[in-house]
Amino acid sequence: DAKTTQPNSMESNEEEPVHLPCNHSTISGTDYIHWYRQLPSQGPEYVIHGLTSNVNNRMASLAIAEDRKSSTLILHRATLRDAAVYYCILRDSGTYKYIFGTGTRLKVLA
Amino acid sequence: GAVVSQHPSWVICKSGTSVKIECRSLDFQATTMFWYRQFPKQSLMLMATSNEGSKATYEQGVEKDKFLINHASLTLSTLTVTSAHPEDSSFYICSAIDRNWNEKLFFGSGTQLSVL
Repeated sequence: DAKTTQPNSMESNEEEPVHLPCNHSTISGTDYIHWYRQLPSQGPEYVIHGLTSNVNNRMASLAIAEDRKSSTLILHRATLRDAAVYYCILRDSGTYKYIFGTGTRLKVLA
Repeated sequence: GAVVSQHPSWVICKSGTSVKIECRSLDFQATTMFWYRQFPKQSLMLMATSNEGSKATYEQGVEKDKFLINHASLTLSTLTVTSAHPEDSSFYICSAIDRNWNEKLFFGSGTQLSVL
């Protein structure tokens, strides 16, 4: 299973953009990059996903490196409600399994 | 968006008893469901992959006789923790893939199991 590497924690001020990095150097050509976030005592919530091109939705943007060995989740204006653990996951194209890494705990300062 | 309902939200049981956790996809058909467990301050660990109508595929180190998974229909999967012990206490989370959105994984709200 391809693995992802993320910083353990990050901090951001409220109303400022946040860039959450993820390294996935062993990604295969057909693995999708997914981002989920988890609030305490809840199941993870879908944020965004992509394959090769950058993606935008109402929650965030996903910037994927040209060689696909890294990606960055961008929250354009962090709010206190964005404080969560953010997981970068590679969906295995063969087994469809989603293997979670350690994630990044985002703290948003008021 | 697609909704996955999981219950109970929490359960306390005595050591040696069995506990069943249900996971339902409310507004879509889930060909594949996954079961995860999570210990405090840790990431989610995949336990097994369940496909409708077939036997579950367990990850290495997960005892299939202890964690019985049944995926009898396209909207329901169950996880039964048999002969539970205190070390089985954990947060169990199910998830499902929507056939129409097969790149998205939808999660239940989780079940906190405490074994006394």
